[in-house]
Amino acid sequence: GAVVSQHPSRVICKSGTSVKIECRSLDFQATTMFWYRQFPKQSLMLMATSNEGSKATYEQGVEKDKFLINHASLTLSTLTVTSAHPEDSSFYICSAFGAGQGANTIYFGEGSWLTVV
Amino acid sequence: GENVEQHPSTLSVQEGDSAVIKCTYSDSASNYFPWYKQELGKGPQLIIDIRSNVGEKKDQRIAVTLNKTAKHFSLHITETQPEDSAVYFCAATANYGQNFVFGPGTRLSVLP
Repeated sequence: GAVVSQHPSRVICKSGTSVKIECRSLDFQATTMFWYRQFPKQSLMLMATSNEGSKATYEQGVEKDKFLINHASLTLSTLTVTSAHPEDSSFYICSAFGAGQGANTIYFGEGSWLTVV
Repeated sequence: GENVEQHPSTLSVQEGDSAVIKCTYSDSASNYFPWYKQELGKGPQLIIDIRSNVGEKKDQRIAVTLNKTAKHFSLHITETQPEDSAVYFCAATANYGQNFVFGPGTRLSVLP
């Protein structure tokens, strides 16, 4: 199946700083990528939909100025958590959907654990 | 919009037994139903999917059945093994290529 790579897998940052998480589709072009947040023992919460070359669409309640999403190419989307606070600590997961060989559904990245201290 | 319910929330089975997880959806226009397995600390992995023009699909020990009339679909795992222990999510979408609506998940524990 298609491969989606997410980096870093774990990151610790100080409160008030910004951290960037990358999501790459390794063997297909991803016209659409999704960013989720997952709290322990809970389901996936969609934060935003990222379309290549256009602004991301954020879900209700998600601060677009805090969670900056950039989808500059067909294989890369980034999520930047700005001015991070301890309550932003969570498991962030990206997924990708794209046209091309092996990519006819949504595939997830490995997830990124963010700890804000 | 679409709403997906999933039952049970937790399921414990003995190794070798079968496990069944059921999901119901609300949007009759939904036509694609994937299942994902999520192990602790990892991203969800697609394990099987089914489209609305098919009633059943099987891949080794895993099968999915779809009842469009009743708007439910189920995941069946036979001959369960300890490595099947994980959280399983179902999803549904009527707009292929857009986001899927996920169920709340089922935590499956396979007891040796």
